[in-house]
Amino acid sequence: EADIYQTPRYLVIGTGKKITLECSQTMGHDKMYWYQQDPGMELHLIHYSYGVNSTEKGDLSSESTVSRIRTEHFPLTLESARPSHTSQYLCASSPAGIYYGYTFGSGTRLTVV
Amino acid sequence: ILNVEQSPQSLHVQEGDSTNFTCSFPSSNFYALHWYRWETAKSPEALFVMTLNGDEKKKGRISATLNTKEGYSYLYIKGSQPEDSATYLCAPISSNTGKLIFGQGTTLQVKP
Repeated sequence: EADIYQTPRYLVIGTGKKITLECSQTMGHDKMYWYQQDPGMELHLIHYSYGVNSTEKGDLSSESTVSRIRTEHFPLTLESARPSHTSQYLCASSPAGIYYGYTFGSGTRLTVV
Repeated sequence: ILNVEQSPQSLHVQEGDSTNFTCSFPSSNFYALHWYRWETAKSPEALFVMTLNGDEKKKGRISATLNTKEGYSYLYIKGSQPEDSATYLCAPISSNTGKLIFGQGTTLQVKP
């Protein structure tokens, strides 16, 4: 049973469209993350948040933006989708502290045509 | 930026075989390491969080060790079963950034 939910699971969209990928968790975790994975490649951190109204960019530069208005919700937005944004996007959350593993969502596979 | 290497990239074994994978990384500038199992069409699942040199963790038939001085971690599966088929990801945490740095993973296929 998933404690972190991502929607949609799959999305095919035209170039120039604005999209929002949803991520919600029910565990009360302060820390949340967005990872991007291209086929055959590593997961790369693109955004993270340590709490409400706190967002930071990750190691991999991304044209997407995020917001954290509520603890449980961490949506990712692309204002104008391009084919280069085609990828898999994974959301994760964790409690504070280094001794806890991350809980991942099932991911959104985005295709921009 | 840490460079995390996992080997082998993929592995095919028969049911009942034991197997192990390696995760290597620069031995300085990190303070923990995670292992995840990622089954097809599912979410990555945390297996172990390892924080100390010489740390050993076990979960059923799966165990892991950590050597911080030489910069590697082993994941060992005893008596592999078809349900062990998945991609296994390691992710050290950089002490510079506090973030997980993922390797490309080892994909295991266990044939009945």
